[in-house]
Amino acid sequence: AQKITQTQPGMFVQEKEAVTLDCTYDTSDQSYGLFWYKQPSSGEMIFLIYQGSYDEQNATEGRYSLNFQKARKSANLVISASQLGDSAMYFCAMSARNSGNTPLVFGKGTRLSVIA
Amino acid sequence: EPEVTQTPSHQVTQMGQEVILRCVPISNHLYFYWYRQILGQKVEFLVSFYNNEISEKSEIFDDQFSVERPDGSNFTLKIRSTKLEDSAMYFCASRIDGKAKNIQYFGAGTRLSVL
Repeated sequence: AQKITQTQPGMFVQEKEAVTLDCTYDTSDQSYGLFWYKQPSSGEMIFLIYQGSYDEQNATEGRYSLNFQKARKSANLVISASQLGDSAMYFCAMSARNSGNTPLVFGKGTRLSVIA
Repeated sequence: EPEVTQTPSHQVTQMGQEVILRCVPISNHLYFYWYRQILGQKVEFLVSFYNNEISEKSEIFDDQFSVERPDGSNFTLKIRSTKLEDSAMYFCASRIDGKAKNIQYFGAGTRLSVL
């Protein structure tokens, strides 16, 4: 079974600063995918970034990057140059395999508040 | 940009009533999912659907739940006799195919309130 742990219930960051949201995972699978989703107060779930377990490079998408440390089973999200609009819940998730019809397993989330 | 559409955004119902939550997945996607999120808790998988049948379901998805793709565009979740504990945000998600990265795109959710 897969498990995602997000140990930071809430984080504060100053506008324009970088912030790291922690995520550790547990799985016995060799092939898996890791994801981050953003949930603003309006409630929708917005896909941010994906990392495959066999990807050698850390994923980046604009101001988002994923710090993937396979041996430590961590997949931290780094947001650079924080903006007020980044204030939201952030969920780390994983799937058992990089492809195939497998459901996502989510962590409990981290609420990020960006301060002006 | 294509998106997953869910209706209604908020549904209020009496305990014991049937509800149908509707979703229009992204048009060329083949895999469909329902998740739920009880207020303040994490998102939980309910069911996945492919090729007009359920491919996987969780323990939450008991006999009170059913899914259907009645036509080429809609994907529905039915709860036959709602309970207070069914109150949650229900998300529909879709992904393109089995070969691509398992990136699931979510709709904005339907907030179900059971009174």
